[in-house]
Amino acid sequence: LAKTTQPISMDSYEGQEVNITCSHNNIATNDYITWYQQFPSQGPRFIIQGYKTKVTNEVASLFIPADRKSSTLSLPRVSLSDTAVYYCLVGRRSNDYKLSFGAGTTVTVRA
Amino acid sequence: EAGVAQSPRYKIIEKRQSVAFWCNPISGHATLYWYQQILGQGPKLLIQFQNNGVVDDSQLPKDRFSAERLKGVDSTLKIQPAKLEDSAVYLCASSDPGLKYEQYFGPGTRLTVT
Repeated sequence: LAKTTQPISMDSYEGQEVNITCSHNNIATNDYITWYQQFPSQGPRFIIQGYKTKVTNEVASLFIPADRKSSTLSLPRVSLSDTAVYYCLVGRRSNDYKLSFGAGTTVTVRA
Repeated sequence: EAGVAQSPRYKIIEKRQSVAFWCNPISGHATLYWYQQILGQGPKLLIQFQNNGVVDDSQLPKDRFSAERLKGVDSTLKIQPAKLEDSAVYLCASSDPGLKYEQYFGPGTRLTVT
């Protein structure tokens, strides 16, 4: 499994855009990048997955440069309810796919 | 659609006692997982089931932890005897076998061992 590095914490204010960058220098050709979100006292929740370029859904956007050695999760116009831990995971979409969580990035949104 | 159900939500026991957690996955999800999440860390996979068979239990401390999924639906995770370091949140998740990167987690059971 490719090792990932992401900031331990980030602070933001309501209405701002939050960008969390994850480094995965040894990502393999068949690896995908997946992000999960975990609110306090809840289990993690799948947010988004991508392989290259840009992926967008109703929750976030994921930007992946051509070399795929990093990725950026973008949360537009955050609110207090976006305060959570965000995990970046890298792995192959195979039958033996396993989620390997690091410590994640704690995002705190202030009023 | 109902989510992953877990019970109890909280449990406090003394060391050397036993405890059991229950999980009911999303209907139709053949793959079920148990994770342990220690405070300040990400979840760690303990065991993975495909239907009622174990796919991966490499990180399960088998001297004290056991899990079963007898009919391929509900699952129980047991700790016997508990140690102080077992204090954690135990999360159950399920997924479609073809979409293992998209797992649905339950709310977890917070275990405190005193």
